[in-house]
Amino acid sequence: DAGVIQSPRHEVTEMGQEVTLRCKPISGHDYLFWYRQTMMRGLELLIYFNNNVPIDDSGMPEDRFSAKMPNASFSTLKIQPSEPRDSAVYFCASSFRSSGRVTGELFFGEGSRLTVL
Amino acid sequence: GENVEQHPSTLSVQEGDSAVIKCTYSDSASNYFPWYKQELGKGPQLIIDIRSNVGEKKDQRIAVTLNKTAKHFSLHITETQPEDSAVYFCAAPGDTGRRALTFGSGTRLQVQP
Repeated sequence: DAGVIQSPRHEVTEMGQEVTLRCKPISGHDYLFWYRQTMMRGLELLIYFNNNVPIDDSGMPEDRFSAKMPNASFSTLKIQPSEPRDSAVYFCASSFRSSGRVTGELFFGEGSRLTVL
Repeated sequence: GENVEQHPSTLSVQEGDSAVIKCTYSDSASNYFPWYKQELGKGPQLIIDIRSNVGEKKDQRIAVTLNKTAKHFSLHITETQPEDSAVYFCAAPGDTGRRALTFGSGTRLQVQP
């Protein structure tokens, strides 16, 4: 398997522009997570899906952020309009339901580095 | 929600020495404690994990210990090598009904050759 695939790897945009980040999870995984990494705040959970349904979006900063998972093999994270404080590395991760109620291993993509000028 | 604190933020050791990274968590319902390693330009990758029904787990040069009473767990790396240089994150799930992990702030480990 190719692992979790994210695109673009790097994005530089100007304040006010729309940004769309894309993720293809590992085939067969039923959980998908979006995390944001910054020096100040570390790895923050933004939202996660189970079987394409959003389960917890309490980490989404504000209404400028939205995420969708139209099918089991694709998810997007959209920022509109973007602001300089959104500059970060955005990671997508997927996992497979493990036995019981214990979280399974997260497989991370290589991240999308976003710079908003 | 879960709160995970990690120390130290940076750690420099000589090749061959041991390294220890410590984490505390707040939610007593947490029952799974993984450690992830992040190399430059890559996403984090699981290196070892422990469930709450055991106190210690080893995998070659790495080990994790768990003290549920004190709500802390530690990563131990023995005989460190330059390729161990990376950022290490601990994590915990908090409410076991919640599948998402809360990560610690990370420890940058530098192994000096």
